[in-house]
Amino acid sequence: GAVVSQHPSRVICKSGTSVKIECRSLDFQATTMFWYRQFPKQSLMLMATSNEGSKATYEQGVEKDKFLINHASLTLSTLTVTSAHPEDSSFYICSARTGATEAFFGQGTRLTVV
Amino acid sequence: KQEVTQIPAALSVPEGENLVLNCSFTDSAIYNLQWFRQDPGKGLTSLLLIQSSQREQTSGRLNASLDKSSGRSTLYIAASQPGDSATYLCAVFGFQKLVFGTGTRLLVSP
Repeated sequence: GAVVSQHPSRVICKSGTSVKIECRSLDFQATTMFWYRQFPKQSLMLMATSNEGSKATYEQGVEKDKFLINHASLTLSTLTVTSAHPEDSSFYICSARTGATEAFFGQGTRLTVV
Repeated sequence: KQEVTQIPAALSVPEGENLVLNCSFTDSAIYNLQWFRQDPGKGLTSLLLIQSSQREQTSGRLNASLDKSSGRSTLYIAASQPGDSATYLCAVFGFQKLVFGTGTRLLVSP
């Protein structure tokens, strides 16, 4: 299957700083990328959907100024957690797809804010 | 709003048993449904993808069925093994969104 590379896999940052997570589709062009958040022992919650070259669509309750999503090319989307706080500590996973096809996922990023 | 529910939430079985995991969704206007497994602290591994026009898909000991009209899918695991222990997630792709179910935590004991 197609490969989606997510980086970094783990990051620890200080409260108040910003963290950027990258999601790349390595061997296909992703017209749509999704960002999810997962709390311990819970399922994945969709945060936002991004289409290349346009603004991301955020789910209800997700602060767009806190979680900045950029989808500048067909192979790269980034999620920036701005002014991170301990409650932002979570597992973040990106997904990429082309049309109504199989979704391919990155390996996730474990964010810990101290 | 699409809601996806999985039953049971947790399941513990002895090795060798056949088992069925259930997934139900409220909006039948979907493009496809996908089953994943997730090991603790890890990302997702895609198991099976069923297009909306299909009834089932098989891969090895796994068989997934889809009844779009009733909003249900099942994942059948034959001859379960301890290595099957993981959390299983179904996800439905509707209008531009991939929505995940609540998950089933499976433990297969030797």
